[in-house]
Amino acid sequence: SYVLTQPPSVSVAPGQTARITCGGNNVGFRSVHWYQQKPGQAPVLVVYDDSDRPSGIPERFSGSKSGDTATLTITRVEAGDEADYYCQVYESNSDHPVFGGGTKLAVL
Amino acid sequence: QVQLVESGGGVVQPGRSLRLSCAASGFAFGGYSMHWVRQAPGKGLEWVAVISHDGSDKYYADSVKGRFTISRDNSRNTLSLQMNSLRIEDTAVYYCARDGADIVVLYYFDSWGQGTLVSVSS
Repeated sequence: SYVLTQPPSVSVAPGQTARITCGGNNVGFRSVHWYQQKPGQAPVLVVYDDSDRPSGIPERFSGSKSGDTATLTITRVEAGDEADYYCQVYESNSDHPVFGGGTKLAVL
Repeated sequence: QVQLVESGGGVVQPGRSLRLSCAASGFAFGGYSMHWVRQAPGKGLEWVAVISHDGSDKYYADSVKGRFTISRDNSRNTLSLQMNSLRIEDTAVYYCARDGADIVVLYYFDSWGQGTLVSVSS
């Protein structure tokens, strides 16, 4: 089955830039979506189709891809950005959406 | 605004059944595919099932195929998940989620409910 690999945790100081990676076979050919989930809350879509932002999501959140790795970048990190972040793609072979294992962003 | 409210969760013994519902409002429910996504305690997200906007197409994760049935009532703006032969590993918070586009299925989730907890335990 298709696997998306994310680092378990990323730490960053307030005001700095956080980069969360998502690797998988042929990720470069798939649309990647990113979700933010704060403790006890439902996930929220923060980036879709690699780099588009839903309305209401700050410009500090951006997505990119290079080769088989997608990256969620959060600039000027705030304490309120502390959350779990999940990447997701659609896997056509199985007709299933697939999530990465999630990355816990800690704001030091 | 889009609102999705799940209900029907609870504690159930292995092998029993449970039916979850999701009440939708704030958008043209009948124009969107809808999904169920679950999250086991302390774990990541797992897609469960999708139903097309008109209910004609349904797809399931291998882990629930043959046991779970997704359905919808567009006249009542309601999504459902019938869960039979429940297993301990089905214990999770179950979220209903709207697909990212109307009519076509894009398989990403632009709105989520708050979830309902299903606990399968003897």
